[in-house]
Amino acid sequence: ETGVTQTPRHLVMGMTNKKSLKCEQHLGHNAMYWYKQSAKKPLELMFVYNFKEQTENNSVPSRFSPECPNSSHLFLHLHTLQPEDSALYLCASSQSSQGPGGEQYFGPGTRLTVT
Amino acid sequence: AQSVTQPDIHITVSEGASLELRCNYSYGATPYLFWYVQSPGQGLQLLLKYFSGDTLVQGIKGFEAEFKRSQSSFNLRKPSVHWSDAAEYFCAVGVGGSNYQLIWGAGTKLIIKP
Repeated sequence: ETGVTQTPRHLVMGMTNKKSLKCEQHLGHNAMYWYKQSAKKPLELMFVYNFKEQTENNSVPSRFSPECPNSSHLFLHLHTLQPEDSALYLCASSQSSQGPGGEQYFGPGTRLTVT
Repeated sequence: AQSVTQPDIHITVSEGASLELRCNYSYGATPYLFWYVQSPGQGLQLLLKYFSGDTLVQGIKGFEAEFKRSQSSFNLRKPSVHWSDAAEYFCAVGVGGSNYQLIWGAGTKLIIKP
């Protein structure tokens, strides 16, 4: 595997379910990100992890819970979601979230549908 | 507040024609500018970036972009598009120092007419 991988690619869940999204990067980076992508809207940064420490939480509802056990893996735990949470969730990584010029490498995303 | 505007939601271009996608940003300091492309079902791929120096930057797949400070713009161009260029294109600005992050435009969907 190379680059940034995400599983599952598609997920349908009910509002009372609990599920997790997984992201893995094989680039040796030390910063990882979760974004939400909704149609016709800019990408919304959700969480940033730098060296496994959360450095950014953009006022994301608590029904989204991130976990970063090491610099290569990132999870997004989901519970009691709402239909408006349906979107494409993108994971990205970069060499560092500190300082400018950080090119981010993206995974293919998980298409989430909440019913 | 920092922001990125991509004025065109959709653009339709004939195959072989030239292309220009617009991007305007609002940021008080020298920006770090990026263009990414997203093909259907794919994540985002970096096309090119500007940090400093020559204001005309070359990227992959034959794309280039020009930074114009006076117009706060970073427009993406390609002299001759191919059907495989049909995708969504996103402009982003890197802002902040110790809390660096990318601010994204809403994207422009490029449609190629045969």
